Amino acid sequence: DGGITQSPKYLFRKEGQNVTLSCEQNLNHDAMYWYRQDPGQGLRLIYYSQIVNDFQKGDIAEGYSVSREKKESFPLTVTSAQKNPTAFYLCASSADRQTNYGYTFGSGTRLTVV
Amino acid sequence: KQEVTQIPAALSVPEGENLVLNCSFTDSAIYNLQWFRQDPGKGLTSLLLIQSSQREQTSGRLNASLDKSSGRSTLYIAASQPGDSATYLCAVLDYKLSFGAGTTVTVRA
Repeated sequence: DGGITQSPKYLFRKEGQNVTLSCEQNLNHDAMYWYRQDPGQGLRLIYYSQIVNDFQKGDIAEGYSVSREKKESFPLTVTSAQKNPTAFYLCASSADRQTNYGYTFGSGTRLTVV
Repeated sequence: KQEVTQIPAALSVPEGENLVLNCSFTDSAIYNLQWFRQDPGKGLTSLLLIQSSQREQTSGRLNASLDKSSGRSTLYIAASQPGDSATYLCAVLDYKLSFGAGTTVTVRA
């Protein structure tokens, strides 16, 4: 079945450490996105990519970095510069940005600072 | 900047009652509107997608309407069941996908 796979499901980060969240899709979608979800708030866009080797900052990109070397993969690195990284991270994809088919989401990664 | 609001933030109903969830948005220049369901600690599951040219979409017990001119959408869930308990998120697509904070629904058996 086509879908989006995020790993790991749970991730613990020590102060000053960089961590990378994985996102893989087999939907043949061109566009991929990373969102952050905090309790009581709507999802906020971190980064997005419309095509391989190209990506754009979203609303809250500070302290995060991404790469898009393959169409199927869009990993997110949470750097030590991100002051409050504890949150639920969701990866999504769509056929294109102005899609007639909607967005598909992964199952998420919960990141906790210890 | 698009603002998406969902009212109420939480809703508790007895099993069998119909559910009405509201979503409003500030900029009517959208491509589409999508309703999602989220279970605790899980990702988002797409329920219905309404294109900007459409007035409503239906899937089983779910029906969503869209009034673009007034910036409103309503999700109706008929004959609610305990398995419908979840958070329901509304999202509108213009140059990006903007989300409301969600309505958390509890259906009491």
